[in-house]
Amino acid sequence: EPEVTQTPSHQVTQMGQEVILRCVPISNHLYFYWYRQILGQKVEFLVSFYNNEISEKSEIFDDQFSVERPDGSNFTLKIRSTKLEDSAMYFCASSEGTGPLSGANVLTFGAGSRLTVL
Amino acid sequence: GQQVMQIPQYQHVQEGEDFTTYCNSSTTLSNIQWYKQRPGGHPVFLIQLVKSGEVKKQKRLTFQFGEAKKNSSLHITATQTTDVGTYFCAGNQAGTALIFGKGTTLSVSS
Repeated sequence: EPEVTQTPSHQVTQMGQEVILRCVPISNHLYFYWYRQILGQKVEFLVSFYNNEISEKSEIFDDQFSVERPDGSNFTLKIRSTKLEDSAMYFCASSEGTGPLSGANVLTFGAGSRLTVL
Repeated sequence: GQQVMQIPQYQHVQEGEDFTTYCNSSTTLSNIQWYKQRPGGHPVFLIQLVKSGEVKKQKRLTFQFGEAKKNSSLHITATQTTDVGTYFCAGNQAGTALIFGKGTTLSVSS
């Protein structure tokens, strides 16, 4: 079964450092997403990406965050200057489309990248 | 903005008992999806409901979508230890991002 793969599985960084989290979405999926989950809490939407541009972002996704699709397979999330409160599990997800009737908007999540900011 | 609320936050049951989690949205949804996250795992899609009043079943799991398309429920009959995890509802309006509820964490003792 096709998978979304994420690297690294765990990253520990010092406050103020830049972090790049990587994702390889499912190959025929067109929409890509980043969500985060602070330990024991809800899954929070950060950003969606389609056709090489951001299609929607949440209030969490401020100027410290950026996303990129540097090549035909990778989708990255960069945090420019990490803060303690950025510590969380970051999930990448992808979907075929956004139409609910065909089920194309169902998300397939990766296993996540756990970010620990010290 | 759109909010999705879910209750209860935690539920502990004895194996064999039933379990229900409820989901409410502040806005009318185009669809609602349910995901399960095992401890230490990632959300895994269970089902999607699109039509007003829709009811779907997956073995011991029954999902409902309200008539007004603003609420939903997941009912598990005769829970098993394999049902342990956090159940999230997630909904959106057409063309917008999927917003997750806070989830209901189910624990089952045998």
